[in-house]
Amino acid sequence: KQEVTQIPAALSVPEGENLVLNCSFTDSAIYNLQWFRQDPGKGLTSLLLIQSSQREQTSGRLNASLDKSSGRSTLYIAASQPGDSATYLCAVTGGTSYGKLTFGQGTILTVHP
Amino acid sequence: ETGVTQTPRHLVMGMTNKKSLKCEQHLGHNAMYWYKQSAKKPLELMFVYNFKEQTENNSVPSRFSPECPNSSHLFLHLHTLQPEDSALYLCASSQELRTGNTGELFFGEGSRLTVL
Repeated sequence: KQEVTQIPAALSVPEGENLVLNCSFTDSAIYNLQWFRQDPGKGLTSLLLIQSSQREQTSGRLNASLDKSSGRSTLYIAASQPGDSATYLCAVTGGTSYGKLTFGQGTILTVHP
Repeated sequence: ETGVTQTPRHLVMGMTNKKSLKCEQHLGHNAMYWYKQSAKKPLELMFVYNFKEQTENNSVPSRFSPECPNSSHLFLHLHTLQPEDSALYLCASSQELRTGNTGELFFGEGSRLTVL
């Protein structure tokens, strides 16, 4: 059974810092990996999707990397802003959970001015 | 505009009530999902519909009953719920691929359910 772990569970940084969120998964036979953002009481917003054949994806200040063989992904946020404060979720599809998305518990990010 | 719309956004119901959650997607996707998000737990997949056919029931109690009349609409009918069913219920859609794997998921804003 696929399991996804996100570290750290919570992170608090001053505005302007570059930061890294980590995601690991137990079954490396994934089809793709997706990073989401969730604001309190709201739904999930897709940030980046990385196919299993890709090593990274970039969108603005966000860069996500994927090392499938080691079962790891990182989300890099450059020059963090207070508006980046949210919960960041990592999810994978494929492997033993074929066709289903398996989520981590998320990293709660707080960027203070 | 997320492309996936859920109503109602908030719902309070008693344990003997019957209510329904509605989801509509405007993205032309062929797969729709119900997820449950409880405090301090990862998102749990409840149901999956591909081309209006239910392809996944993740051991969900029968007091939750999904309905997918067409590829754009998804309902979750609720009856005789328990207080522990209080959670955020999220609908999502994607383009299911020929390989059987899942494309990028797009979520609605969720329906916050409180069972008294």
